[in-house]
Amino acid sequence: SQKIEQNSEALNIQEGKTATLTCNYTNYSPAYLQWYRQDPGRGPVFLLLIRENEKEKRKERLKVTFDTTLKQSLFHITASQPADSATYLCALDRGHMDSNYQLIWGAGTKLIIKP
Amino acid sequence: ETGVTQSPTHLIKTRGQQVTLRCSSQSGHNTVSWYQQALGQGPQFIFQYYREEENGRGNFPPRFSGLQFPNYSSELNVNALELDDSALYLCASSLGTSGSSYEQYFGPGTRLTVT
Repeated sequence: SQKIEQNSEALNIQEGKTATLTCNYTNYSPAYLQWYRQDPGRGPVFLLLIRENEKEKRKERLKVTFDTTLKQSLFHITASQPADSATYLCALDRGHMDSNYQLIWGAGTKLIIKP
Repeated sequence: ETGVTQSPTHLIKTRGQQVTLRCSSQSGHNTVSWYQQALGQGPQFIFQYYREEENGRGNFPPRFSGLQFPNYSSELNVNALELDDSALYLCASSLGTSGSSYEQYFGPGTRLTVT
C-alpha cells in the first residue's frame, strides 16, 4: 500500500531563513500531491496542489517541487516568519481515476520559526 | 475560516454505543470526505461522497458508515464504538469531478472520546 514519510522531528528555523520540508512516498506515483498547514486544534488548511506533470509550483513565499523519479516533494517557505510556525502535511492521490478514490496523508512535520 | 461546519464540537461516548457526526459543506461544493486524526498523526481517510454516492473508502471497518444529502451536507455514523475510535474527526468539502483532485476545505473537527 502507499506510504508517505515526512520528517517526524520538529524543524527549527531562524526567522528570515528558508524552511524546506520533505515528503517521500513509496509505491505508485500519485497524480496529484497537496500540501496543507495545520494549527493545533484546527482542521488542515490547503496551501498548494501540484500535478505529476508539473515540476514546480509557487504561491507568494511558498514553493513546491515534485520529483516523480525520486518519489519526493519538497516544500519551501522563503523569508520565514514566526507566524509560519505550524505542522505541515502532505497528501497524495491519483485523482478519481480509480473506482476506490483515496487521499493518503503523511503524519506531518512541525515547523518552528524562531525570532 | 472555511464555510465548513461540524457538530458537535466535542462528544464523550461509552464503548459499544453509536455516534452520529454531522458536517455542512461549503456552498457550491459537491464532494465531502471524512477523516480520522489521532493525536500526532496525519488524517486517515475514512471515505468520500460525491453527489450522494460513496466514491472511495479507506481501510475502515463497515461499522463506519456515512451519508451525503441532496444539499451535500453529510453524516458519519460509527456503531459499536471502541476505545481506539477516540480521535478528532474531520470533514472536508471540495468541488470534485471525476478524474481530478481538488483542494479540500476542512471544518474544525469533532473531538470524540470513547470511555
